[in-house]
Amino acid sequence: NAGVTQTPKFQVLKTGQSMTLQCAQDMNHEYMSWYRQDPGMGLRLIHYSVGAGITDQGEVPNGYNVSRSTTEDFPLRLLSAAPSQTSVYFCASSYFGLTYEQYFGPGTRLTVT
Amino acid sequence: GQQVMQIPQYQHVQEGEDFTTYCNSSTTLSNIQWYKQRPGGHPVFLIQLVKSGEVKKQKRLTFQFGEAKKNSSLHITATQTTDVGTYFCAGPNEKLTFGTGTRLTIIP
Repeated sequence: NAGVTQTPKFQVLKTGQSMTLQCAQDMNHEYMSWYRQDPGMGLRLIHYSVGAGITDQGEVPNGYNVSRSTTEDFPLRLLSAAPSQTSVYFCASSYFGLTYEQYFGPGTRLTVT
Repeated sequence: GQQVMQIPQYQHVQEGEDFTTYCNSSTTLSNIQWYKQRPGGHPVFLIQLVKSGEVKKQKRLTFQFGEAKKNSSLHITATQTTDVGTYFCAGPNEKLTFGTGTRLTIIP
């Protein structure tokens, strides 16, 4: 199993540009989520999904859109990039079971100039 | 909203010394998880605690969940260079609120 994969690893955008961060998992996990991590801070939840066709907002959803058309994929779209969105983005997945262990992808480092 | 604080923010220890990080939640947690993030890496799950007063051990790591289920701690005995990283508490369930993290550095 590849686990959770994210592309790209690095990205530089200009203010106002849009882009999509890709996330895929091959573990048949129902739950997927996106976090951002800023220096000196913990991870903050952006959006999450409990299954295909179902998404909801997390703590910091503004400026981001998500969709979940398949169990495997959960892309994150930046509509109009702003410097405040410079961050490291992590995708995570888990199954609904006895533990809530989250499996994280390797991250995408995004810089908005 | 729910807030989870960790102290200290940074800890520098000599190799072989012990290390402890403390986690405090503004609300009662049904469960709490601990993650480790190596420099440049992604968070990796360590353990989940569920019961009030629970203590779990993983080799040199000891995890505790407070009686009121609002605080938790991670203690590492005799640190090694492989312990370097940032330790986060998080909870509850799958929609995680992460603590601010404690960055551990080891002086060889």
